[in-house]
Amino acid sequence: RKEVEQDPGPFNVPEGATVAFNCTYSNSASQSFFWYRQDCRKEPKLLMSVYSSGNEDGRFTAQLNRASQYISLLIRDSKLSDSATYLCVVTRRPGNTPLVFGKGTRLSVIA
Amino acid sequence: ETGVTQTPRHLVMGMTNKKSLKCEQHLGHNAMYWYKQSAKKPLELMFVYSLEERVENNSVPSRFSPECPNSSHLFLHLHTLQPEDSALYLCASSQDLGGNYGYTFGSGTRLTVV
Repeated sequence: RKEVEQDPGPFNVPEGATVAFNCTYSNSASQSFFWYRQDCRKEPKLLMSVYSSGNEDGRFTAQLNRASQYISLLIRDSKLSDSATYLCVVTRRPGNTPLVFGKGTRLSVIA
Repeated sequence: ETGVTQTPRHLVMGMTNKKSLKCEQHLGHNAMYWYKQSAKKPLELMFVYSLEERVENNSVPSRFSPECPNSSHLFLHLHTLQPEDSALYLCASSQDLGGNYGYTFGSGTRLTVV
């Protein structure tokens, strides 16, 4: 099983739609979780951290399910500007090892 | 300057050239990283430095040589590259090696080897 798995997409959705991405991770000892956004030919940028209780930032909601080892990202009222690749990122295990990046899920929001 | 700065933004080099990529972070972070991203491919971790000490080298060919003279600067020295080395090279930094607060990436250097 890969350390972090994401559906590569692409997800093609109309403006205003709600879209959800899931990500599974293999290491039950992972402590920190993030969603990054990467625009075409640009660097990844932190979108939001994912907390155990779930967290919301405007139209974006992130949730963590430790028992099933998956995290999710929900985008409501999609905008054209949401078109990007969304990367699921987890810590490998407690301690000093680099983050593990998923391969990303591509989203295209269509007018 | 704030965040993570990478220079140059674009680089075209011949296979016999020697060039260096530079990364500087202004965040007081303790760990720095080099990543490679080929077209439409996921990120590939190349090197990891923590407090100027290299702690990870992911089977990267010796034609890539990293250098970390201090905790704020990271270089990637390039020599006798191949066309398949053409990619976006990203530098990142983090507060701790575990990345518990996430990474901050630079804008990258888009490298073309001709």
